[in-house]
Amino acid sequence: TQLLEQSPQFLSIQEGENLTVYCNSSSVFSSLQWYRQEPGEGPVLLVTVVTGGEVKKLKRLTFQFGDARKDSSLHITAAQPGDTGLYLCAGVGDYKLSFGAGTTVTVRA
Amino acid sequence: EAGVAQSPRYKIIEKRQSVAFWCNPISGHATLYWYQQILGQGPKLLIQFQNNGVVDDSQLPKDRFSAERLKGVDSTLKIQPAKLEDSAVYLCASSWTTGTRELFFGEGSRLTVL
Repeated sequence: TQLLEQSPQFLSIQEGENLTVYCNSSSVFSSLQWYRQEPGEGPVLLVTVVTGGEVKKLKRLTFQFGDARKDSSLHITAAQPGDTGLYLCAGVGDYKLSFGAGTTVTVRA
Repeated sequence: EAGVAQSPRYKIIEKRQSVAFWCNPISGHATLYWYQQILGQGPKLLIQFQNNGVVDDSQLPKDRFSAERLKGVDSTLKIQPAKLEDSAVYLCASSWTTGTRELFFGEGSRLTVL
């Protein structure tokens, strides 16, 4: 059972379009991380959000942590084929890191 | 800086056989993790080591899975006997300490059990 629910499960868009993926939980986390995983590779950390309501930007990627620290979103502006991958959110509680099932994003050229 | 090294990258075995995976973390990283990632799912923590001690192995199926990190550096994960449902990618990750939240992952070892 995944503590973190990610939606949508799959997302396919055209280059230049925007997209948002969501990560929701009934649990409160001390912080939340987003990773991107490409085929045949391990996940790579993109960002950690710590404070409720926090917004972080990483070039065309915008990450938001919910006020109650139970949910988060990732928004990509003007997506590019290089953004293709599996996006995983992970909640940090105590010393444990719990992953969601991920959203597979495909950006078509 | 060298990353997390894992081997083998791929392994195909028959059910009831045994298999072992090896991981060498980033130099100086005290915490080592083994995750299981089944197709279509996120990684699930199997075991977490702090140096050579186990911090968490609550989700490790101990009747068939074992792991060790004897000298507090590299680690081995063993499955014996394997079941069909063990088919997955086994990811090793490391971090500076348990309190450090940036995990560095290896490329994974893909296991297929026939």
